[in-house]
Amino acid sequence: KNEVEQSPQNLTAQEGEFITINCSYSVGISALHWLQQHPGGGIVSLFMLSSGKKKHGRLIATINIQEKHSSLHITASHPRDSAVYICAVSKSGGSNYKLTFGKGTLLTVNP
Amino acid sequence: GAVVSQHPSRVICKSGTSVKIECRSLDFQATTMFWYRQFPKQSLMLMATSNEGSKATYEQGVEKDKFLINHASLTLSTLTVTSAHPEDSSFYICSAIRSAYEQYFGPGTRLTVT
Repeated sequence: KNEVEQSPQNLTAQEGEFITINCSYSVGISALHWLQQHPGGGIVSLFMLSSGKKKHGRLIATINIQEKHSSLHITASHPRDSAVYICAVSKSGGSNYKLTFGKGTLLTVNP
Repeated sequence: GAVVSQHPSRVICKSGTSVKIECRSLDFQATTMFWYRQFPKQSLMLMATSNEGSKATYEQGVEKDKFLINHASLTLSTLTVTSAHPEDSSFYICSAIRSAYEQYFGPGTRLTVT
């Protein structure tokens, strides 16, 4: 079993819909990251969380340390949000920077 | 935000040749950089940790003699795929650490070995 699991693997939405992508992990962590990978391959770091909730524009990320679960929400989704969203964790006791990745969620937002 | 570049963005080479990929942090100094590879529809896999001024640390199963890493300065790390074979064809991504938990990714290099 992977240490970082994401669901769903694929998600198709209509423009304007509210999107939720989930991430569960089975190890102790010092931080959780949400990354975005566009079709060209480049990766952008969206959020780094160790507790609570963060918001940036239409994106919201939450984490529940006790339940070992994080969610990424996109409000008023737009076709340009179409990308692969990757959850990654920095394990406790290890290097702060070495990440363990989930397999990603492919989001397609149709106009 | 911080910028990390990679060069080239894509390269095609013949089997048996070597290919060098550069990773640069453009507006900050990075004592630590990471190299990842990604196969189609797969997640990123950490290959090695590149430390400025010292030898790279390779993950289990990654051949250090095949994937040569040199972190020559605080803004440049290079990955050389030696004697490349078709199975080395992949998407290679670097990242650079600016401060605690701040990790910035390069745009990636698509390597095709024919």
